[in-house]
Amino acid sequence: QKEVEQDPGPLSVPEGAIVSLNCTYSNSAFQYFMWYRQYSRKGPELLMYTYSSGNKEDGRFTAQVDKSSKYISLFIRDSQPSDSATYLCAMSAVAGKSTFGDGTTLTVKP
Amino acid sequence: GAVVSQHPSWVICKSGTSVKIECRSLDFQATTMFWYRQFPKQSLMLMATSNEGSKATYEQGVEKDKFLINHASLTLSTLTVTSAHPEDSSFYICSARDSGGIAEAFFGQGTRLTVV
Repeated sequence: QKEVEQDPGPLSVPEGAIVSLNCTYSNSAFQYFMWYRQYSRKGPELLMYTYSSGNKEDGRFTAQVDKSSKYISLFIRDSQPSDSATYLCAMSAVAGKSTFGDGTTLTVKP
Repeated sequence: GAVVSQHPSWVICKSGTSVKIECRSLDFQATTMFWYRQFPKQSLMLMATSNEGSKATYEQGVEKDKFLINHASLTLSTLTVTSAHPEDSSFYICSARDSGGIAEAFFGQGTRLTVV
């Protein structure tokens, strides 16, 4: 079993929809939780970073971490075609050395 | 945010030759850099962790003699793929973390290596 499991997708939604992306994990030592956006043939771009449990909001993006359930989510409100990309969750026990999910490919249709 | 520059963005080389990929932190000192490999439609696989001035720590299954990593300064790490073969063709990505204790690592743009 992988340490980090990510809903595989792909996910296709209409413009303006709310998108929910999810990951579960098994390593209780993880305390840093990240979401990255990766466009085709590019390196990942950090979207959200959360330490320990709780919610964090940045514009249209909200990250949630529930350590008791070992479950993290990324919500995208008012999704735009420019949000179409692959989203990777990542988490680590040691700062910077992350374990990544396999990614969820999102397409937002105009 | 912090900027990590990776060069080249793509390279094609002949089988048996060596290729060097550079990763630079442009506006911070990267005490630790990470090298990843990514296959199509798959996630990032950590290859090695390098700390400035010391030998890199390789993940299990990664050949250290084939993938040479040098982290000679606080702003530069290099990955050299030696005697490249077609199976080494992949997308290589570096990331860097500064000494300030922030958890997240910042990624370079990636290098698409094709060995023919």
